Amino acid sequence: DAGVTQSPTHLIKTRGQQVTLRCSPKSGHDTVSWYQQALGQGPQFIFQYYEEEERQRGNFPDRFSGHQFPNYSSELNVNALLLGDSALYLCASSFFNEQFFGPGTRLTVL
Amino acid sequence: AQTVTQSQPEMSVQEAETVTLSCTYDTSENNYYLFWYKQPPSRQMILVIRQEAYKQQNATENRFSVNFQKAAKSFSLKISDSQLGDTAMYFCAFMTSLHNTDKLIFGTGTRLQVFP
Repeated sequence: DAGVTQSPTHLIKTRGQQVTLRCSPKSGHDTVSWYQQALGQGPQFIFQYYEEEERQRGNFPDRFSGHQFPNYSSELNVNALLLGDSALYLCASSFFNEQFFGPGTRLTVL
Repeated sequence: AQTVTQSQPEMSVQEAETVTLSCTYDTSENNYYLFWYKQPPSRQMILVIRQEAYKQQNATENRFSVNFQKAAKSFSLKISDSQLGDTAMYFCAFMTSLHNTDKLIFGTGTRLQVFP
């Protein structure tokens, strides 16, 4: 079992650009959640996808959007990047209550 | 809204000793889940232990145990026989059992250093 995988590992973008992060859930998991973890902070919930629909959303602007595919993998898109979007982005998959995290994507916005 | 508070930014312990990390939370719900996650420098968030609020018995996983005080809304983690590999950030997290969602709400973390 490969567990939760994320790509890319690291990413450097400039302000105003757009970025797409990818996540493949653990085998058998149908729910994917995305979190943003700023340096020195705990992860903050962005949104959650289940059955290809956004089920719940945290306090993030519409610049943050996502998608879930029929194979349960997911993408996180961020438009019009700001310096403050620099963070570790974590994906977690779950089947029932217990979330398993991927290694994260480190996004740096210059 | 639910909140999770970890009041110890940093803790240190000598190898083989015992350390306790504190966590308090605020919620008006009666049914929920609590978790401790470990995040080593590799960044991978690893589940250490979980507790269902309806269970009175404290959860235990090998050297890790919790002291769950529901009335006080307290959920501390005890690490016995500390090992160098326990060095990491530790996050306390809350999950509601309502609203058909398993969103996690995290505290700000406690950095634990285990020294020889």
